[in-house]
Amino acid sequence: QVQLVQSGAEVRKPGSSVKFSCKASGGTFGGFQINWVRQAPGQGLEWMGGISPIFGTANYAQKFQGRVTITADKSTTTLEVSSLRSDDTALYYCAREVGPHVPAFASWGQGTLVTVSS
Amino acid sequence: DIVITQSPDSLAVSLGERATINCKSSQSVLYSSNNEDCLAWYQQKPGQPPKLLIYWASTREFGVPDRFSGSGSGTDFTLTISSLQAEDVAVYYCQQYYSPPWTFGQGTKVEIK
Repeated sequence: QVQLVQSGAEVRKPGSSVKFSCKASGGTFGGFQINWVRQAPGQGLEWMGGISPIFGTANYAQKFQGRVTITADKSTTTLEVSSLRSDDTALYYCAREVGPHVPAFASWGQGTLVTVSS
Repeated sequence: DIVITQSPDSLAVSLGERATINCKSSQSVLYSSNNEDCLAWYQQKPGQPPKLLIYWASTREFGVPDRFSGSGSGTDFTLTISSLQAEDVAVYYCQQYYSPPWTFGQGTKVEIK
């Protein structure tokens, strides 16, 4: 079974950008959309956007439109967040949908912690 | 955006007893093409990513114990743990995938009484 492996923790200053990755270990993403979900410390889950690795088409929550970019090839997806603020401090997860065009998230990466601090 | 509200925020249940979590969406999440509700349930333990338990409101994900069940339709849904085990202590989230942005409830913390 394909596992999602994310890159390591990042520390950034407010106003800067960060880019991190999620790789399908042992295979490819297949025909499944990969999504990014974040979780601020002690808080709930927030969907940011997703991408079809086959078609390369991304869709974003309006809240993040223009500030977030998701890219992907068949086995790696990256999330870039610009104009970072302190409230972007969170654990960022990649997650694969349970079936084609069924965005319930069956497989999750271990998370990438992003800390935004001056 | 569809707003998802869970109740209660937390509950304490004795081992072996039933735990019930409710989830209400601000609009129907019934997908007319297959007559299924676009509602999922997750379990999250400390220091771990969420784990998918249920999707299509009542379809159990592979490997999930049958003490977990989902029910409901339209706007009102329930996750039931029929006989609480110690390993079920976690925060549970529901999520709609009917209309983007996909949104989650605020979470329900389940503890042992």
